[in-house]
Amino acid sequence: AQSVSQHNHHVILSEAASLELGCNYSYGGTVNLFWYVQYPGQHLQLLLKYFSGDPLVKGIKGFEAEFIKSKFSFNLRKPSVQWSDTAEYFCAVNLHRGGYQKVTFGTGTKLQVIP
Amino acid sequence: GAVVSQHPSRVICKSGTSVKIECRSLDFQATTMFWYRQFPKQSLMLMATSNEGSKATYEQGVEKDKFLINHASLTLSTLTVTSAHPEDSSFYICSARDLAGISTDTQYFGPGTRLTVL
Repeated sequence: AQSVSQHNHHVILSEAASLELGCNYSYGGTVNLFWYVQYPGQHLQLLLKYFSGDPLVKGIKGFEAEFIKSKFSFNLRKPSVQWSDTAEYFCAVNLHRGGYQKVTFGTGTKLQVIP
Repeated sequence: GAVVSQHPSRVICKSGTSVKIECRSLDFQATTMFWYRQFPKQSLMLMATSNEGSKATYEQGVEKDKFLINHASLTLSTLTVTSAHPEDSSFYICSARDLAGISTDTQYFGPGTRLTVL
């Protein structure tokens, strides 16, 4: 079965530190990859997504993610975090198999940025 | 941007009663809506996918007679938890996708509904 792993459950960083959140998935076929963010008290929002083409994807608020097919990974990065980046981040994979699609989410990573 | 609302945001009910949760797309037509369930400290689990005017497709392990989904219009889908029990207590989240979103795989999420069954 398709699975998505986020190894970091809780990350604490100081402002201006660099961020990298890991995401690995288990399916070897055609996938679309996403990172969603949930700020405190708000609903899930799309941060960035990868469909095809350049494996380095740039999203909103200075975030980027790199799709490495050989490693089944789609790690999220930001060179310098801000206090406002405090949120929970979810990696998601949409598996395409024939006419069937299913989005599977990782367990999420809570990021706490200390001023 | 596309907005999805859910009502109610929080509901407490007695065991054995039924609860209906509404999911609305406010400024676009949602040809497909998704219902997720999130347990504490766990990820979102897809429960079912519903397309307007047709029966919902339930994921394995989700009881379709317990979680009734209706997607009667392009802006409204409802999830009814029938004969609710304490183990049904959870955070239920819907998302919606329009026709353009099929090719871009874009889902817009609602704020979620916290269900507590006493």
